Amino acid sequence: DGGITQSPKYLFRKEGQNVTLSCEQNLNHDAMYWYRQDPGQGLRLIYYSQIVNDFQKGDIAEGYSVSREKKESFPLTVTSAQKNPTAFYLCASRVTWGEGNNQPQHFGDGTRLSIL
Amino acid sequence: AQSVAQPEDQVNVAEGNPLTVKCTYSVSGNPYLFWYVQYPNRGLQFLLKYITGDNLVKGSYGFEAEFNKSQTSFHLKKPSALVSDSALYFCAVRGSGYSTLTFGKGTMLLVSP
Repeated sequence: DGGITQSPKYLFRKEGQNVTLSCEQNLNHDAMYWYRQDPGQGLRLIYYSQIVNDFQKGDIAEGYSVSREKKESFPLTVTSAQKNPTAFYLCASRVTWGEGNNQPQHFGDGTRLSIL
Repeated sequence: AQSVAQPEDQVNVAEGNPLTVKCTYSVSGNPYLFWYVQYPNRGLQFLLKYITGDNLVKGSYGFEAEFNKSQTSFHLKKPSALVSDSALYFCAVRGSGYSTLTFGKGTMLLVSP
């Protein structure tokens, strides 16, 4: 089945540690997105990429980094500079060609990050 | 800039009654509007979208939404609520000149038996 796979489902970070969240899609989508979800705050955009080897900062990029070396993969690194990383992280993708702007984003099932 | 407001943190409705979850938006140009649903510890599932055309849009699981340009609203509706509809609902907008979605803060729908 086509879809978006996020791993791990749960992740714990120690102080001063960088951690990487995985996002893989087999939908052949060009664009991929990372969101952070906190209770009562909705979804906030961290980074997005519309094409391989290119990405843009979203609204809350500080303390995060990404790479897009393959179309299928868009890993997110939460660095030690992110002082409040505890949240639910969601990855999404969508078609951008043709009627792409009309198409919804498809979401993975998220990674819950907590601080030890 | 683009923005979405969901004025109710929570909506309570009895099973079998109609439900409405409200959404208003602000965007430059024509809006692309979306509703998503989220169950606990899961990702967002797409329900329906408005791009152009009929103001009443039908989507998954019996949900529909009404686009009102003059009131800049896109309220989600269902004629008869089910207990299984209890979840967190998000409205989102993308303006025609934008490449990213802006989400509302979400509305928790609780359907009582």
